[in-house]
Amino acid sequence: DIQMTQSPSSLSASVGDRVTITCRASQSISSYLNWYQQKPGKAPKLLIYAASSLQSGVPSRFSGSRSGTDFTLTISSLQPEDFATYYCQQSYSTPDTFGQGTKLEIK
Amino acid sequence: EVQLVESGGGLVQPGGSLRLSCSASGFTFSSYAMYWVRQAPGKGLEYVSAISSDGGITYYADSVKGRFTISRDNSKNTLYLQMSSLRAEDTAVYYCVKDLGVGTTDTFDYWGQGTLVTVSS
Repeated sequence: DIQMTQSPSSLSASVGDRVTITCRASQSISSYLNWYQQKPGKAPKLLIYAASSLQSGVPSRFSGSRSGTDFTLTISSLQPEDFATYYCQQSYSTPDTFGQGTKLEIK
Repeated sequence: EVQLVESGGGLVQPGGSLRLSCSASGFTFSSYAMYWVRQAPGKGLEYVSAISSDGGITYYADSVKGRFTISRDNSKNTLYLQMSSLRAEDTAVYYCVKDLGVGTTDTFDYWGQGTLVTVSS
């Protein structure tokens, strides 16, 4: 199975900050990488698919990029509603695997 | 509006069985692959099972292979997960999930609210 390693596992930031979360794949997955946001007690929500495509309805402050097997989710200016846990997921090969999550907390 | 509503969760003893259902609406159910993804309490997300749009192709994570069976009834817009020989480590919220694209992309654009399965004596 392909291993997905997210960093950091937790992050404290302030409203208005620029935040970057990284996900590294254990092997090449091309651009088959998705990002999800999950708030406590809620189902995950798709933010970014195919590494850099913004899902419909997601604010443009969210963006994704790829460099080899390293993938980045960037939030350009944190809003109060962005404090949540973020997961990456590879959809290159079955079984799909998720990163362990990054909890974004208010500083 | 796409809606996925799971049901069937609950408390079951180790070794027992349970069937989860997911009622889908707001899209052409028969055109999309569907999935079950679970999340143990306080833990991350785990891909459990997948089924193609016509039900002809299925996939299971190694952790559930031989114990769980995914199926669908396209005439009823319903997805199922039959779970047997349940173990404590199967305790989780089980999410019904829709594929983003027509076909199979393994990208999950809509999720149900989840149903909690607790395996305990």
